Amino acid sequence: NAGVTQTPKFRVLKTGQSMTLLCAQDMNHEYMYWYRQDPGMGLRLIHYSVGEGTTAKGEVPDGYNVSRLKKQNFLLGLESAAPSQTSVYFCASSYGDINSQPQHFGDGTRLSIL
Amino acid sequence: GQNIDQPTEMTATEGAIVQINCTYQTSGFNGLFWYQQHAGEAPTFLSYNVLDGLEEKGRFSSFLSRSKGYSYLLLKELQMKDSASYLCAVTDSNYQLIWGAGTKLIIKP
Repeated sequence: NAGVTQTPKFRVLKTGQSMTLLCAQDMNHEYMYWYRQDPGMGLRLIHYSVGEGTTAKGEVPDGYNVSRLKKQNFLLGLESAAPSQTSVYFCASSYGDINSQPQHFGDGTRLSIL
Repeated sequence: GQNIDQPTEMTATEGAIVQINCTYQTSGFNGLFWYQQHAGEAPTFLSYNVLDGLEEKGRFSSFLSRSKGYSYLLLKELQMKDSASYLCAVTDSNYQLIWGAGTKLIIKP
C-alpha cells in the first residue's frame, strides 16, 4: 500500500532554477492538494485539483504552477525558484472534498533555495 | 480574519492524560479535523467533528463546541510514541480548510 508518494524527498536549488515536484497516489482519489509547511505556521494550500484535468488556486499560489494530466498524478512546478520558497512541501489526496473527508499525505519534499 | 489558536508546546508524563485545546474564528463552520504529525513525517488523520459533543476513538477523544468555537483533543494513557505535533484544522463556510500551527507534545518518562 503505497498511498501518496512524493519525489524527490530532498532538493537544493539555486535562485532562479526551475524544478518539478512529483506526487502520485494509488487510492483512486479525485481530490489532490499541494501544501507548504513553514516553521510556526499552519499548512498553507498552494494549489489543488478536484479531478483529472482540473486545477485551482489555493491560499498561496504565486510562483507555482500545477498540472493534473492523469488522475493519479499531481505535479507542482517552480519556474524560477526564490529563497522565500524554501519550505517543506506536502502533497495530499482525498476521496471527496475537504469538507468531511480526511486527507492522506505524502512524506514531504524538503526544498532549500540558496 | 480567519484564525485558529493552539498552544505552541505542551509537556506531559508517560501514562498520564493530556488535553490539547483549539479555538477558532472562521467565516462559518463545516467541520473540524485533528491530525498527528511526528517530526519529519507526514500528518496523519486522527478525528473529525461536525456536531457538538465528544467523539471517542481508543485512547484519543475529540470534543467540539460550535457555539464557543472550541475543540479539544484528549489523549489518555500517554505513550512515548505520542510525542508529536497535533494539528487542528477547520473547514469554513467556503469549504476552505484553515490549519492551525500545531501543538508540539513532549512526553517525558
